[in-house]
Amino acid sequence: AQSVTQLDSHVSVSEGTPVLLRCNYSSSYSPSLFWYVQHPNKGLQLLLKYTSAATLVKGINGFEAEFKKSETSFHLTKPSAHMSDAAEYFCVVSDLRGSTLGRLYFGRGTQLTVWP
Amino acid sequence: KAGVTQTPRYLIKTRGQQVTLSCSPISGHRSVSWYQQTPGQGLQFLFEYFSETQRNKGNFPGRFSGRQFSNSRSEMNVSTLELGDSALYLCASSFDRLSEQYFGPGTRLTVT
Repeated sequence: AQSVTQLDSHVSVSEGTPVLLRCNYSSSYSPSLFWYVQHPNKGLQLLLKYTSAATLVKGINGFEAEFKKSETSFHLTKPSAHMSDAAEYFCVVSDLRGSTLGRLYFGRGTQLTVWP
Repeated sequence: KAGVTQTPRYLIKTRGQQVTLSCSPISGHRSVSWYQQTPGQGLQFLFEYFSETQRNKGNFPGRFSGRQFSNSRSEMNVSTLELGDSALYLCASSFDRLSEQYFGPGTRLTVT
């Protein structure tokens, strides 16, 4: 069965400090993994995706994530937070084959607050 | 290239009514998926359409239905609305069933 656990519901950082949002997943097949961001009253924007190429994935706005199969983790990081990064972040898993192909499984989200 | 568009953006309905939401995918995308977002349940998968056929369905009652047209546009319908159907309904499109999904801004449905 596919599932995603985001280990922190809320993360607070100061502007200019590093960001770490943690995610663990389980998947029956070879997964695709994604991070999406949602700003208030907006839809979801794709930050980055992993699809079995390089394990370190670079995304938009300076975010990157590392796929660690042995730890079933896909943590999102950014070296220096900006005020505009304040939003809710979702870790998402999708199977590349099987009966659930095309279906996204979402974590419960991590609300990121950035203090000036 | 224009993004995913959803209409209407906001809807207020009363219990027992039905509602139809519309989604226009990114040009060239053939797969459309629908998701429900609520504070209590988070983001949940409703269904996925590809080439006018429903390929996958989430764990929702039969009151929730959808369809996809030959131009890949999709609609979802909810009949006999309940208070618990109040949610943000998000549509996502992708080039095919393996590609990343791009989301629209959503339709905010309020049931009173």
